[in-house]
Amino acid sequence: EAGVAQSPRYKIIEKRQSVAFWCNPISGHATLYWYQQILGQGPKLLIQFQNNGVVDDSQLPKDRFSAERLKGVDSTLKIQPAKLEDSAVYLCASSLVGIHGGTNEKLFFGSGTQLSVL
Amino acid sequence: QQQVKQSPQSLIVQKGGISIINCAYENTAFDYFPWYQQFPGKGPALLIAIRPDVSEKKEGRFTISFNKSAKQFSLHIMDSQPGDSATYFCAASKSHGQNFVFGPGTRLSVLP
Repeated sequence: EAGVAQSPRYKIIEKRQSVAFWCNPISGHATLYWYQQILGQGPKLLIQFQNNGVVDDSQLPKDRFSAERLKGVDSTLKIQPAKLEDSAVYLCASSLVGIHGGTNEKLFFGSGTQLSVL
Repeated sequence: QQQVKQSPQSLIVQKGGISIINCAYENTAFDYFPWYQQFPGKGPALLIAIRPDVSEKKEGRFTISFNKSAKQFSLHIMDSQPGDSATYFCAASKSHGQNFVFGPGTRLSVLP
């Protein structure tokens, strides 16, 4: 079974530039999450999708971050403009669980995109 | 109320010893409590998980103890091995993966 794919693996940008991350979840997984993991901290949820709809984006800094999941499969997370404090690993995860059914909450994570903002 | 607290921040154990990591939560709506293991450069991977209807779950050398009244749960690693050296995160979520939050992590080092 193929895992969660993320690209790029690393990205270095200067502050005020824009950047985009891509995620391809495990086939058939309805739920997709984007997490931000700052060095030495636990993952922080940015946004959760159920198919192509947003379930929770309460912690997404909407003035600079945006995310979409077209056709309920791949997803992109964008930062524009980037700030120094955005330096972190951006993790994508997917799970089988559906809002209206299923109890398999196991999250499968990709290896993440390490972003450095200079 | 969405937070999950975790301790200790770091832990050093001798090979063959027992590693214990503790977590506490506030939101009584949480009903799924997993532990994730993360190696450098990798995403977290599910280790073991428990639901509040049981007080303990064991899988191999890994055991979760759950205290619903105290809103606490812990991970015990028996016969700790150098290969267990990693960062461990407790987490909690509501039904169907809602509000999936992680603790700050515990860096475990198992000395040979």
